[in-house]
Amino acid sequence: QVQLQQWGAGLLKPSETLSLTCAVYGASVSGDYWSWIRQPRGKGLEWIGELTYNGRTDYNPSLESRVTISVDTSKNQFSLQLNSVTAADTAVYYCARGSAVASHWYFDLWGRGTLVVVSS
Amino acid sequence: EIVLTQSPATLSLSPGERATLSCRASDSVSNYLAWYQQKRGQAPRLLIYDASNRATGIPARFSGSGSGADFTLTISSLEPEDFAVYYCQQRSRWPLTFGGGTQVEI
Repeated sequence: QVQLQQWGAGLLKPSETLSLTCAVYGASVSGDYWSWIRQPRGKGLEWIGELTYNGRTDYNPSLESRVTISVDTSKNQFSLQLNSVTAADTAVYYCARGSAVASHWYFDLWGRGTLVVVSS
Repeated sequence: EIVLTQSPATLSLSPGERATLSCRASDSVSNYLAWYQQKRGQAPRLLIYDASNRATGIPARFSGSGSGADFTLTISSLEPEDFAVYYCQQRSRWPLTFGGGTQVEI
């Protein structure tokens, strides 16, 4: 059974860098597609970016200038960095797997989410 | 960017009733649309992909229809565990986008 376990700092000050990690259990991070998605409290979902099975990344243009998704195959983990955060980046951040059955642009497995609050 | 507009924002129904949720796209997305269910404090769960295909393990009371710019998620007979927020998502055009959600409440 594949599981995603995510963690990272939950409280940041404006201008700091958000850093989250998602560990993959029961599957290889090199064998699938992985995304980060966020949800401001009480609001809808926003796709941040994707890591492909061969290490390529694609980002939402609205965040592309501040986002980096990286992979550590030795630890079977992938990570999200978001630079220069503001209060608008306050949200629950999810890691998720792209579906192998439907399309990697749909998400069939999610982490539990990490609440990140940006406040001075 | 494709904007997905969901309606109604809130749907108040009773167990056993039929729920009909709408998702309208700002441009055609063909059939490249999914539906998710999110319960309070939980991550979303994939219900329907490519407009009408149920994801693994999803009960038959959930069905999706539509193509182009208008889509519908139908729950034929609401169970107590179905009261949640439902989101649509398109994969037709970059970037991926989600709708604002419909809350199905008792």
